[in-house]
Amino acid sequence: EIVLTQSPGTLSLSPGERATLSCRASQSVSSSYLAWYQQKPGQAPRLLIYGASSRATGIPDRFSGSGSGTDFTLTISRLEPEDFAVYYCQQYGSSPETFGQGTKLEIK
Amino acid sequence: EVQLVESGGGLIQPGGSLRLSCAASGFTVSSNYMSWVRQAPGKGLEWISVIYSGGSTYYADSVKGRFTISRDNSKNTLYLQMNSLRAEDTAVYYCARTTVTTGGVGYFDYWGQGTLVTVSS
Repeated sequence: EIVLTQSPGTLSLSPGERATLSCRASQSVSSSYLAWYQQKPGQAPRLLIYGASSRATGIPDRFSGSGSGTDFTLTISRLEPEDFAVYYCQQYGSSPETFGQGTKLEIK
Repeated sequence: EVQLVESGGGLIQPGGSLRLSCAASGFTVSSNYMSWVRQAPGKGLEWISVIYSGGSTYYADSVKGRFTISRDNSKNTLYLQMNSLRAEDTAVYYCARTTVTTGGVGYFDYWGQGTLVTVSS
């Protein structure tokens, strides 16, 4: 199965700053079948990005995804207070679907 | 509006059984692919099972032979029957609507709020 490694484990930034989160796969993810989710404490994950770069319904345009092959990035252009959460990447290019271990985005 | 509401979690002894339910509204369960994803306390996410619109089912190796996914079309509800439960099955269990690619795997566009299963003596 494909192993996804997210970095950094924790990212400390201030509102208004730019956040760059990385997701690296142990083998190439076919057709850029890579999704990103946001999870706040006590809540279910929420889909942000699918197909590596397509925003899900209702997701603000400050969230963007990029990458292909084994290296993918989630960028939040200007952090809002509600963006501080844990972010997971997930590949669905091959079975079984697998998730990264998460990046915690915390307020500096 | 799409909504998923899980129920059925609780405290169960090792070796016991439990059935989780996921009631859907705003869409038809039988016309979609539906998955269960779990999250152990303080840990990451793990896909464990999917049921296709055509009825085919698939499982992660960690639960194969012990868990069964099913649905009741008349109730628009998804189920997860969990048998031979182990301490390592302790987790929040989420149901999720799944958008599947041609390869049969997919991403999760709507999630329920989750139900906690604790396996302990």
